[in-house]
Amino acid sequence: QVQLQESGPGLVKPSQTLSLTCTVSGGSSSSGNYYCSWIRQRPGKGLEWIGYISHSGGTYYNPSLKSRLTISVDTSKNQFSLRLSSVTAADTAVYYCARLYSKAGGWFYFDFWGQGTLVTVSS
Amino acid sequence: QSVLTQPPSMSAAPGQKVTISCSGSSSNIGNNYVSWYQQLPGTAPKLLIYDNNKRPSGIPDRFSGSKSGTSATLGITGLQTGDEADYYCGTWDSGLSAGGVFGGGTKLTVL
Repeated sequence: QVQLQESGPGLVKPSQTLSLTCTVSGGSSSSGNYYCSWIRQRPGKGLEWIGYISHSGGTYYNPSLKSRLTISVDTSKNQFSLRLSSVTAADTAVYYCARLYSKAGGWFYFDFWGQGTLVTVSS
Repeated sequence: QSVLTQPPSMSAAPGQKVTISCSGSSSNIGNNYVSWYQQLPGTAPKLLIYDNNKRPSGIPDRFSGSKSGTSATLGITGLQTGDEADYYCGTWDSGLSAGGVFGGGTKLTVL
């Protein structure tokens, strides 16, 4: 059973950079069709896909966040990270990491999720 | 405004059946597989349905999924009070701003 756990500061000041790490344990995600992904949920709102990274470091970002976003991976530690720069109050959300299955031909789903971590942007 | 359209809320009595719709376009649902997620209050989403109609291990067969054209449907039979949750559809959008997309979510109340 794959388990994911987010970690990072719960409070970030406006204009600063939000940084989170996801630690993955259990199961096997070595298939080229598995990716590490981030999703967020603003208070009282729906889910928003942020982006994903492959084990080899290839990334794909939500176009609306691309200019501020960096996702990286450290396979030696079974961790992947999110950095979102120049944050505003609109970036306040619960941030989830999840394992993504994706394959050419339209396959795309998140089969395991972390518990989520609330990040508040406030001075 | 979400790319995929779901009814904001639905309600039904225990034991009844409910269907939750998810409407999209040819760039998303029309040409890609749909997944469904259940989010119980205060918890992370959980995968309910993938590849339009497949259930992960451990998901009861009371939950079913289907897709036709640019719309998808989640069905839940034999409703239980424990099914009260938010339900989201998701897929890949191959359009100009390609990426993962979700519906706005449907809050299901089991009366």
